[in-house]
Amino acid sequence: GQNIDQPTEMTATEGAIVQINCTYQTSGFNGLFWYQQHAGEAPTFLSYNVLDGLEEKGRFSSFLSRSKGYSYLLLKELQMKDSASYLCALARGGYNKLIFGAGTRLAVHP
Amino acid sequence: EPEVTQTPSHQVTQMGQEVILRCVPISNHLYFYWYRQILGQKVEFLVSFYNNEISEKSEIFDDQFSVERPDGSNFTLKIRSTKLEDSAMYFCASRQNSGANVLTFGAGSRLTVL
Repeated sequence: GQNIDQPTEMTATEGAIVQINCTYQTSGFNGLFWYQQHAGEAPTFLSYNVLDGLEEKGRFSSFLSRSKGYSYLLLKELQMKDSASYLCALARGGYNKLIFGAGTRLAVHP
Repeated sequence: EPEVTQTPSHQVTQMGQEVILRCVPISNHLYFYWYRQILGQKVEFLVSFYNNEISEKSEIFDDQFSVERPDGSNFTLKIRSTKLEDSAMYFCASRQNSGANVLTFGAGSRLTVL
C-alpha cells in the first residue's frame, strides 16, 4: 500500500517563494511526480524525481529524499496564476500508474 | 503540442443508464489510463491498459466498469448501470514507452448521475 501526505491549504504573496511538502510511505517506488490542477481542469505535469536531489525547471523545482520518504515542490516568483492545487503523486507498479495525494490548495495574494 | 482529447465534456444521465466516455490518446503513446475525481476529492486511479488488455485495475473498477480500444485511436470507458456515486470527473491519460514516463491527461468528462 501507500500513504501520501501533503498540507491541505497554503497561502503566499505574489513575488514570493513557497515550498509545498509531501511525505509518503510506499512499498514500491518508480518516481515522485508533481502536477498542477486548476479548479475544474485536468492535472498538468510540473516536475518529477526518480533519484535523490533537486530538479529545476524554470520557476519550479522539486526535491526528493527517498530514504526519508520526502519531497517538496518549490515555486519561485509567485504569480497570481499559480493559485491552484498541487498534487504529489507516486509512480508504482510495472505500468507506472500514478497514485495521487489529496493535493495542496495554494492561494496567491497580491 | 499533442493532447489527449475526451468526449463528452459533460454528460447528465439517469441512475441505471449505461454511459460511454470516449478518449483519443496521443498518437504515439502506448499506455492508457482512466482516473476519476469526485468533486472536492483526490484524483483516483481506475485502470491501466496496455497492448490491448487491462494491465492493472483498482478496487473501484468493479464489474460495472469496462474499457475498450475499439480501433487504433479511441479508448473508451463504459459504466454499465450508473449509480449516484459515479458522479465525478473522469480523466483519461496516456504516456509513451520511454523517457520520463509522464502521464498526459485529457480535459476530463464530467458525469452527473441523477
